[in-house]
Amino acid sequence: DAKTTQPNSMESNEEEPVHLPCNHSTISGTDYIHWYRQLPSQGPEYVIHGLTSNVNNRMASLAIAEDRKSSTLILHRATLRDAAVYYCSTNFGNEKLTFGTGTRLTIIP
Amino acid sequence: SQTIHQWPATLVQPVGSPLSLECTVEGTSNPNLYWYRQAAGRGLQLLFYSVGIGQISSEVPQNLSASRPQDRQFILSSKKLLLSDSGFYLCAWSRLGYGYTFGSGTRLTVV
Repeated sequence: DAKTTQPNSMESNEEEPVHLPCNHSTISGTDYIHWYRQLPSQGPEYVIHGLTSNVNNRMASLAIAEDRKSSTLILHRATLRDAAVYYCSTNFGNEKLTFGTGTRLTIIP
Repeated sequence: SQTIHQWPATLVQPVGSPLSLECTVEGTSNPNLYWYRQAAGRGLQLLFYSVGIGQISSEVPQNLSASRPQDRQFILSSKKLLLSDSGFYLCAWSRLGYGYTFGSGTRLTVV
């Protein structure tokens, strides 16, 4: 199965943009790229997903590399409520998502 | 709107006891359903997924099983719990091309 790799942790200052990277070098052409975030003792929350083009929603933006082997989740203006573990995943073409260990994002006031 | 219900929120069970966790989805039909487990401080491990009634795929061999008796009901079971079954169990649903929606989870402690 293809794998995603993310940095274990990142820090960012409050009210600044955050760029969370993810590598998915073995992604296939029909696989979607998903991002979720998880607060302690809660289920993961959907953030955004995309296939080839960059995507924007009220929570974040997703920038997908032209070769689709990497992507970046962009939080435009981080708040303390954005502190969470962020998971990048791909669905391997059959709607079955597997998750890595994610990136723990710390927001510094 | 679609919602997902998962219960109980917490559970403490002795080793060797049976387990039954239930998940139901409202507001959609024929969803894909999933059971994940998260050990303390770890990532999410896919245990089972189902694309329809009675159709279960197992990702990890273990003493857990899953069933889907109705379109929007997914059950995780065990006949005899092990200490290693402790963890945070999450149910999720999805439809093709859409993101996953997770339940609030069940924290299981096997003692």
